[in-house]
Amino acid sequence: DAGVIQSPRHEVTEMGQEVTLRCKPISGHNSLFWYRQTMMRGLELLIYFNNNVPIDDSGMPEDRFSAKMPNASFSTLKIQPSEPRDSAVYFCASSFGVGQPQHFGDGTRLSIL
Amino acid sequence: GQQLNQSPQSMFIQEGEDVSMNCTSSSIFNTWLWYKQDPGEGPVLLIALYKAGELTSNGRLTAQFGITRKDSFLNISASIPSDVGIYFCAGLPMEYGNKLVFGAGTILRVKS
Repeated sequence: DAGVIQSPRHEVTEMGQEVTLRCKPISGHNSLFWYRQTMMRGLELLIYFNNNVPIDDSGMPEDRFSAKMPNASFSTLKIQPSEPRDSAVYFCASSFGVGQPQHFGDGTRLSIL
Repeated sequence: GQQLNQSPQSMFIQEGEDVSMNCTSSSIFNTWLWYKQDPGEGPVLLIALYKAGELTSNGRLTAQFGITRKDSFLNISASIPSDVGIYFCAGLPMEYGNKLVFGAGTILRVKS
């Protein structure tokens, strides 16, 4: 069975550029989560969706970050404009309902020069 | 906000030894989860616990949901080199719906 699929796996870009990260959740899962992982701060929840609707975006650091989920099988996390401090590994996770275990993708390693 | 205290921060053990790590909190959790993360990959779910006192095994791994609902432990028996990685506990607090709270992780290294 396919797990959570993220793309790209690696992204290197210059500051000021727009970055778009993509996620395909596990089929049938109706909750989707975006996390950021850094050495200093560990895993941080940025935003999560239930049934394609954003429920909690309190973890989104700034207005430069935005996330969408146009349908049950696709979500994007966009950073515009990007800054060096945005460099991190970004994970997408999905779960089958509220309170159920979350399953993670392999992440996107983002480097902003 | 909610916090999980995970310990130890790191362990360097001999192959074949047993390993124990735990997470504690001042808050009550509905669910406890244990994940393992290998370099360059996402966290992989090892064990999920849903009831206070629940003891669950997955091969050489055993985890328990504390009676007070404020703690959980993970044991690995007879460690092998492929157990190397970062282990995270995560909990779903009672009042935060779908938002997992993660521990800081335990880095496990195994000497052959």
